[in-house]
Amino acid sequence: EVQLVESGGGLVQPGGSLRLSCAASGFTFSSYWMHWVRQAPGKGLVWVSRINSDGSSTSYADSVKGRFTISRDNAKNTLYLQMNSLRAEDTAVYYCARDRLTMVRGVIENWFDPWGQGTLVTVSS
Amino acid sequence: QPVLTQPPSASASLGASVTLTCTLSSGYSNYKVDWYQQRPGKGPRFVMRVGTGGIVGSKGDGIPDRFSVLGSGLNRYLTIKNIQEEDESDYHCGADHGSGSNFVWVFGGGTKLTVL
Repeated sequence: EVQLVESGGGLVQPGGSLRLSCAASGFTFSSYWMHWVRQAPGKGLVWVSRINSDGSSTSYADSVKGRFTISRDNAKNTLYLQMNSLRAEDTAVYYCARDRLTMVRGVIENWFDPWGQGTLVTVSS
Repeated sequence: QPVLTQPPSASASLGASVTLTCTLSSGYSNYKVDWYQQRPGKGPRFVMRVGTGGIVGSKGDGIPDRFSVLGSGLNRYLTIKNIQEEDESDYHCGADHGSGSNFVWVFGGGTKLTVL
């Protein structure tokens, strides 16, 4: 069974740091790009970051650029999100998601599938 | 980058049908959109991708035949027929834009579907 399990969330003070982990199982982790997506309480989904399969290429939302770092350890089948200089507006449930690539009529299509269950990060004094 | 707009809520009676709408901002009529279902307290689940030609690829694992999509102009629709209690969820649409360091993935605000 393909599974993603996030951990590492918790309560942190503004300006603090936290590292989230996402343990992958049931598929060849090293073959897939991965993403982090967050959801503030009662709000919609917001894409945070992505990383390619070998970790050599990353992208970030403007709201976290320079503060968050995505990385992966393919030997441990684990995705990470290092979050520094945390702000109240970073409070959210953080989900990891696999980038599922499919060839459809000669075009590469990709979407998020599956997602983890999420881990809650609360930034508050 | 595109902006995706969804009505915040929708409702339908058990056994009825409902169509949810995701509207792309002007200039992005060729974009494909993904639909995700999120049950209360759970992570999202891929439903299917839709373009102006309809479904792109196949449905997500376990998505019943009652779910279908259509695309027209700036609108991307998700229709659920014979609504069941387990369909009560938040439904999010999303689309990717750009590449490399300019890559972003944008989502609509989500529609909360209530089954009456």
